[in-house]
Amino acid sequence: AQKVTQAQTEISVVEKEDVTLDCVYETRDTTYYLFWYKQPPSGELVFLIRRNSFDEQNEISGRYSWNFQKSTSSFNFTITASQVVDSAVYFCALSEAGRGSTLGRLYFGRGTQLTVWP
Amino acid sequence: ETGVTQTPRHLVMGMTNKKSLKCEQHLGHNAMYWYKQSAKKPLELMFVYNFKEQTENNSVPSRFSPECPNSSHLFLHLHTLQPEDSALYLCASSLAIAGTLKTQYFGPGTRLLVL
Repeated sequence: AQKVTQAQTEISVVEKEDVTLDCVYETRDTTYYLFWYKQPPSGELVFLIRRNSFDEQNEISGRYSWNFQKSTSSFNFTITASQVVDSAVYFCALSEAGRGSTLGRLYFGRGTQLTVWP
Repeated sequence: ETGVTQTPRHLVMGMTNKKSLKCEQHLGHNAMYWYKQSAKKPLELMFVYNFKEQTENNSVPSRFSPECPNSSHLFLHLHTLQPEDSALYLCASSLAIAGTLKTQYFGPGTRLLVL
């Protein structure tokens, strides 16, 4: 079973529209971490945010905001007033801190390709 | 130079060639990772090194051979690859402190094509 599901394979919006990328995760651990990464066409995965399972406060950073809801096991990402430069593949990831490895293996979703048209 | 760098950025090789991918991190981290990203597949963790010791080998074929001479450098030696090994190979690094997860930071990747 996939630990992280990003049901939206591709999303297209027009500039200045708001867009929400969905992420649903599955874990039995009580301590875990959730991440969002952005992968532009250049290929590098750019870290955007990390949240731990004990902090359900929503976070806003400029045009980006994240909605963490443990009740629905979701960690959705919203871009407000999208711009062409936001076009990229966005990955949601989960790490279960309670497992054997101290490094906390990252489980990635399959990614959502966001295209913002001018 | 800052962050995580990878060389080469692009590589084309034949199935009988031997080549190496290089990763270097300038973040003071002590853990390094190799990931494989194929088209239409999730990112796959290949290897993990913690303080130069390999702590995870995710059932990777022996034609991929990692090497971590120190905490700042990571290599992936390639030999007798198959066309299905064509992919983007991403390196990442993080701090690793027992019981504490730290964020992984990624390099730009090496796009590999095996003919």
